[in-house]
Amino acid sequence: NAGVTQTPKFQVLKTGQSMTLQCAQDMNHNSMYWYRQDPGMGLRLIYYSASEGTTDKGEVPNGYNVSRLNKREFSLRLESAAPSQTSVYFCASSEIPGGQPQHFGDGTRLSIL
Amino acid sequence: QQQVKQSPQSLIVQKGGIPIINCAYENTAFDYFPWYQQFPGKGPALLIAIRPDVSEKKEGRFTISFNKSAKQFSLHIMDSQPGDSATYFCAASKGSNYKLTFGKGTLLTVNP
Repeated sequence: NAGVTQTPKFQVLKTGQSMTLQCAQDMNHNSMYWYRQDPGMGLRLIYYSASEGTTDKGEVPNGYNVSRLNKREFSLRLESAAPSQTSVYFCASSEIPGGQPQHFGDGTRLSIL
Repeated sequence: QQQVKQSPQSLIVQKGGIPIINCAYENTAFDYFPWYQQFPGKGPALLIAIRPDVSEKKEGRFTISFNKSAKQFSLHIMDSQPGDSATYFCAASKGSNYKLTFGKGTLLTVNP
């Protein structure tokens, strides 16, 4: 069972570069999330998607865009990466509409130089 | 402003011990309190959750105790094992919706 799959697992970018983090889930969940995790900060929600075509800003959305083109996939885009966006990014999904995340991917470790 | 304060930051116990992780919240509107477990290099996993209508909830060796008047809740791990070594996060939300506020995490080490 794949669950929630994130790609890539690691990435190094230069300041100003752009990239898209991919996430896919195979559990037929409607709810999907993007979080960032920084040392000593816990998890902070970037964006939430209740269903295909709908997204809501979370606690720290600035500098990010998201796209939910279908039920399986939820991507996170950094248009112009900044060193402050160096973090571990987690995608998650849930069968609970509007509820808490249940299943997380293993993360993308992103460094911005 | 941190709305969920978690302590301690790190905790070391011997196998068989009962580690206790504490969280305190400020927002009285919070009414859903989950705990997540995260192993190194992995994403968090939902472990157990409680609502304020009960004072205690058990799932296997994991127990949440809840004190509404003190605005505190705790995770206890009975008969802890080295495989329980992980980072534990408490969280809180209003109405179990997606807007969870997380604590900063506790790194638990269970020595053999």
